Amino acid sequence: NAGVTQTPKFRILKIGQSMTLQCAQDMNHNYMYWYRQDPGMGLKLIYYSVGAGITDKGEVPNGYNVSRSTTEDFPLRLELAAPSQTSVYFCATRGSNTGELFFGEGSRLTVL
Amino acid sequence: QQQVKQSPQSLIVQKGGISIINCAYENTAFDYFPWYQQFPGKGPALLIAIRPDVSEKKEGRFTISFNKSAKQFSLHIMDSQPGDSATYFCAASIGSGNTGKLIFGQGTTLQVKP
Repeated sequence: NAGVTQTPKFRILKIGQSMTLQCAQDMNHNYMYWYRQDPGMGLKLIYYSVGAGITDKGEVPNGYNVSRSTTEDFPLRLELAAPSQTSVYFCATRGSNTGELFFGEGSRLTVL
Repeated sequence: QQQVKQSPQSLIVQKGGISIINCAYENTAFDYFPWYQQFPGKGPALLIAIRPDVSEKKEGRFTISFNKSAKQFSLHIMDSQPGDSATYFCAASIGSGNTGKLIFGQGTTLQVKP
């Protein structure tokens, strides 16, 4: 089992470009999350989903969008990239009967 | 009120020593307190977690101490090893059975010197 797979691992964007970070899981977990990690700031929740077709905003949703058409996939869309979105993005999943989050290995995004 | 404050930001410990990382929170509704360990280039992974109905939980060399009245909890790593060198995050959430949205602390980079 691959667990949580994120693509791409690295990406450089120009200001104003758009892109989608992909997240796929084979754990059959209902809950999925997108976090961003910045030095000295910990991890901040961007969006989350409690199941296919259901998404909600986290702490820092501005500039991002998500969709959840299947249990397995939870893509994160960046529209009009800005330097402030330079960060490492982590996707995570959680099963229904546990508090444990399972993270992917991250996607490092640089906006120049 | 949703913040979790973590200290220190970085920590250097000699092999065999005790590493201590502290966290404080304000929201008394938090009822789940995990610690995550992250190695460079990897995602965080659950290390140990505690609920506020106990004051201490131990798993091997790792112990969480929880002080409900002070709204503080800490991670103790006994007999620290160079392989423990990593970034550690405390976190808190309200009801892991709900959405399980974790609020993370700022992180502590631990270096264990051989």
